[in-house]
Amino acid sequence: AQSVAQPEDQVNVAEGNPLTVKCTYSVSGNPYLFWYVQYPNRGLQFLLKYITGDNLVKGSYGFEAEFNKSQTSFHLKKPSALVSDSALYFCAVRDEYPLGGATNKLIFGTGTLLAVQP
Amino acid sequence: SQTIHQWPATLVQPVGSPLSLECTVEGTSNPNLYWYRQAAGRGLQLLFYSVGIGQISSEVPQNLSASRPQDRQFILSSKKLLLSDSGFYLCACTYNEQFFGPGTRLTVL
Repeated sequence: AQSVAQPEDQVNVAEGNPLTVKCTYSVSGNPYLFWYVQYPNRGLQFLLKYITGDNLVKGSYGFEAEFNKSQTSFHLKKPSALVSDSALYFCAVRDEYPLGGATNKLIFGTGTLLAVQP
Repeated sequence: SQTIHQWPATLVQPVGSPLSLECTVEGTSNPNLYWYRQAAGRGLQLLFYSVGIGQISSEVPQNLSASRPQDRQFILSSKKLLLSDSGFYLCACTYNEQFFGPGTRLTVL
């Protein structure tokens, strides 16, 4: 069965320091991987995705993620954290399109709360 | 680009009352549509999805139902709310990736 794990409930980092939010996945086929961010009382915003190609994916707001097939990981990174990056981050996976059509359902991790201290 | 509208933004309802949450999508046609619930500000639970008008798939058994009367309209309903229905309800559509609406905060008292 497909699954996504975010092993850290919370990540604390000082402003200006690099940040990493971890995600590992388990799928039966080729993974389509996504990162979303959620600010309080808001919907989720798309940050970036990996479908195929380069293992390093660049996304919005200076975020990037590294796809590692051997470790089945897709960690979110940013070289220099901002206080405004403080939010809830979700990793998600979508399996390959099934034969006969695609539902495009996503399976989300439990979320990681990123707290950036000034 | 697509835009998702949800209303109401917040709702406080007594136990046993009915519910109707609406989601409409602009900027795309024949989208896949989804209803999620987020409890306790954390994990997302997929409740329903729809790949076309009148086509609804339920992910988990529950007190809620969904309908899609038009291509870009998705409605979440209940005949009698339970306390456990409280949460943050998010509508989403797929266009390359999933886009989310602003959400509805439901409190059942």
